[in-house]
Amino acid sequence: GAGVSQSPSNKVTEKGKDVELRCDPISGHTALYWYRQSLGQGLEFLIYFQGNSAPDKSGLPSDRFSAERTGGSVSTLTIQRTQQEDSAVYLCASSLVPVEAFFGQGTRLTVV
Amino acid sequence: KQEVTQIPAALSVPEGENLVLNCSFTDSAIYNLQWFRQDPGKGLTSLLLIQSSQREQTSGRLNASLDKSSGRSTLYIAASQPGDSATYLCAVARSGNTPLVFGKGTRLSVIA
Repeated sequence: GAGVSQSPSNKVTEKGKDVELRCDPISGHTALYWYRQSLGQGLEFLIYFQGNSAPDKSGLPSDRFSAERTGGSVSTLTIQRTQQEDSAVYLCASSLVPVEAFFGQGTRLTVV
Repeated sequence: KQEVTQIPAALSVPEGENLVLNCSFTDSAIYNLQWFRQDPGKGLTSLLLIQSSQREQTSGRLNASLDKSSGRSTLYIAASQPGDSATYLCAVARSGNTPLVFGKGTRLSVIA
């Protein structure tokens, strides 16, 4: 596609439920990043995939968070047993390392 | 640990003014620096990418400079317009395959 695509754009879920957020990167981009942006806060790094290397998971806030990238393309971020503090905008970006990163429009997650 | 600071946090200017947004980072060993724009409820749009070996980049009315040794970058916006109103984010990468570290942004309002 022309840009990074994220789905859904909005997600409301009940506390304790699991959610999956999807990211379709720009075709051919080898690097994929997930960030979280809470209200009034900066972007918090979550996880980074680069080619076939092991992902950098150092930013995941707890073991309820996981992500995978299938076939070097689409990525899914999964949050298990969601909590209210998980409410945020989740942003995905891709790049053709080492040049500039391009971001999707984000998924706004609300946990009620 | 790299920390990125953006000053001011918010700025309001009348239309037509030239303005400067500031970004500082604590670890000068960066690979590149990227400026982004974020409109309310939207994802990030890449504005300018400066490699560590470069001093500045220009795109239209935007000019970004980089002084790696002092850990500073500035984004200069000439002849500001109401359409420039957005949050501007600065981000640095330590290497070509590490995630970007973001500042919290400067929220710009250009008043007609």
